[in-house]
Amino acid sequence: QKEVEQNSGPLSVPEGAIASLNCTYSDRGSQSFFWYRQYSGKSPELIMSIYSNGDKEDGRFTAQLNKASQYVSLLIRDSQPSDSATYLCAVSSGYSTLTFGKGTMLLVSP
Amino acid sequence: NAGVTQTPKFQVLKTGQSMTLQCAQDMNHNSMYWYRQDPGMGLRLIYYSASEGTTDKGEVPNGYNVSRLNKREFSLRLESAAPSQTSVYFCASSEASASYEQYFGPGTRLTVT
Repeated sequence: QKEVEQNSGPLSVPEGAIASLNCTYSDRGSQSFFWYRQYSGKSPELIMSIYSNGDKEDGRFTAQLNKASQYVSLLIRDSQPSDSATYLCAVSSGYSTLTFGKGTMLLVSP
Repeated sequence: NAGVTQTPKFQVLKTGQSMTLQCAQDMNHNSMYWYRQDPGMGLRLIYYSASEGTTDKGEVPNGYNVSRLNKREFSLRLESAAPSQTSVYFCASSEASASYEQYFGPGTRLTVT
């Protein structure tokens, strides 16, 4: 059974701070990694994808992947109240399906 | 581009009733997926279609059937609804396999009484 683990939170950070969201996965053969943002009552929205070890930056978002440690993280710089949402980590082993974590709730206070 | 669309947005059913959830995408994607999301359970895959003409079971297929009508459309049918099927249902699509990015529709909130 492939597993993706996330701390459920909530993770509370002040506006302007860096939010760090973490995810571990069980399948060492995993190849593709995704971060989704989900606002309450809305559908998941893809914000980052990463496929190789290291960092990938897109605006205020940085995804970090360490396959040896089976660990993927998402950093949000200069956090804004509008970043308050649940962040879902998803992992693919190259077959036909994604495995999702249960998500981490992020609260950014003004 | 509308992306992934789903109908209806909300639905209330009585136990034993049937219904079909509709999903369509205009991104020319090959793969389509149906998930359900329940509090504390995360997103769970019900069925998927890796390409037109194929469908496969996911993690929680019992009580559901699917049809890949054509490349654009993928429907989910509940033949005899049960209260345990009360959930939010999301359709998603991706260019090819799950190695590719998946894009979600707005969801259908289903209540079975």
